[in-house]
Amino acid sequence: DVKVTQSSRYLVKRTGEKVFLECVQDMDHENMFWYRQDPGLGLRLIYFSYDVKMKEKGDIPEGYSVSREKKERFSLILESASTNQTSMYLCASRSTGGNQPQHFGDGTRLSIL
Amino acid sequence: QQQVKQSPQSLIVQKGGISIINCAYENTAFDYFPWYQQFPGKGPALLIAIRPDVSEKKEGRFTISFNKSAKQFSLHIMDSQPGDSATYFCAAKAAGNQFYFGTGTSLTVIP
Repeated sequence: DVKVTQSSRYLVKRTGEKVFLECVQDMDHENMFWYRQDPGLGLRLIYFSYDVKMKEKGDIPEGYSVSREKKERFSLILESASTNQTSMYLCASRSTGGNQPQHFGDGTRLSIL
Repeated sequence: QQQVKQSPQSLIVQKGGISIINCAYENTAFDYFPWYQQFPGKGPALLIAIRPDVSEKKEGRFTISFNKSAKQFSLHIMDSQPGDSATYFCAAKAAGNQFYFGTGTSLTVIP
């Protein structure tokens, strides 16, 4: 079974702080994704990565950056946290090729005060 | 702009009844349509998926119906159980890696 692990379930930070969210997958998947989930808006893609050191912007990249130094690890960075970034953040991984689904972690609920 | 439109936003069904969730899309380049189930405190988990060259796929009590000409697909849950109470998301994949998700349906099955 694919396991996607997000380092924190709950996180509380202050406005202006630099925040790191970590995600690790154990299935050697090439592709990794960061989404935010908000009520009524579904899942919105922030960034994805299709290989080490490679990244692509998703639909809402503003205020975020990512890092992928190793294949199994994908980090989301909030450069200067703001209250409108309070949300549930979901990491996913996926194998390349064909109709492969995404596998999700259990999320990090981030509150910015 | 929402690439995949999902309805209803919430649904209450009696135990043993049929739950139906609908999704519509515009992009004919989508080539894979998964449904995800999410319980509180958990990430979405793949429930069932379909390709656009198939009109129906059934796995146990869960069925996807796919209408390519109408650009619509739906999830049917037969004999709905209280344990099916969760949020359901439809999604569509474009060429490459990007998935587009519906806004979710909160299903409550009452005993």
